Amino acid sequence: KQEVTQIPAALSVPEGENLVLNCSFTDSAIYNLQWFRQDPGKGLTSLLLIQSSQREQTSGRLNASLDKSSGRSTLYIAASQPGDSATYLCAVRDRGATNKLIFGTGTLLAVQP
Amino acid sequence: DTGVSQDPRHKITKRGQNVTFRCDPISEHNRLYWYRQTLGQGPEFLTYFQNEAQLEKSRLLSDRFSAERPKGSFSTLEIQRTEQGDSAMYLCASSRGEGYNSPLHFGNGTRLTVT
Repeated sequence: KQEVTQIPAALSVPEGENLVLNCSFTDSAIYNLQWFRQDPGKGLTSLLLIQSSQREQTSGRLNASLDKSSGRSTLYIAASQPGDSATYLCAVRDRGATNKLIFGTGTLLAVQP
Repeated sequence: DTGVSQDPRHKITKRGQNVTFRCDPISEHNRLYWYRQTLGQGPEFLTYFQNEAQLEKSRLLSDRFSAERPKGSFSTLEIQRTEQGDSAMYLCASSRGEGYNSPLHFGNGTRLTVT
């Protein structure tokens, strides 16, 4: 059974710092991994999707990497801003359960001005 | 592209009452998903539609829950005889029907509180 873990559960950094969020999964048989952002009381905003054949994806100040064989992904945020404060969730689309995403519990990020 | 729309945003109901939520997906998306999220947890899959066909249901979806997508456009999720354990955020998502690498786009959810 696929399990997704995110470490740390919470992170506080000063504005301007570069930071890395971690996501690990137990079964490497995935189609893709997707990173989301969730603001308090809101839905999820899709940030990046990395297909299993890809190593990384970039969007603006965000860079996501995928090491499928080791079951790990990282989300790198450059030059963090207070507006980046949110919960970041990763989710995998498992080859054994193709119609659903399996989510981690998220990392709560606070960027201090 | 107006995004995924969910209605209502908040619903407070008394235990034992029935509630119904609506989801309007992005117009060209033929796949629609319902998830449930409790505080401090990631979303959990409930059910999935390809056009009007409900193709998968989670074991989380007890017989008090029913979902429909009658014309392959909007979807409804009904909970009968609500219980306090049903209190959660109910999220709807949609995606294009192109293999498994189309990203899911989520709505802002319906927050249900059962008193």
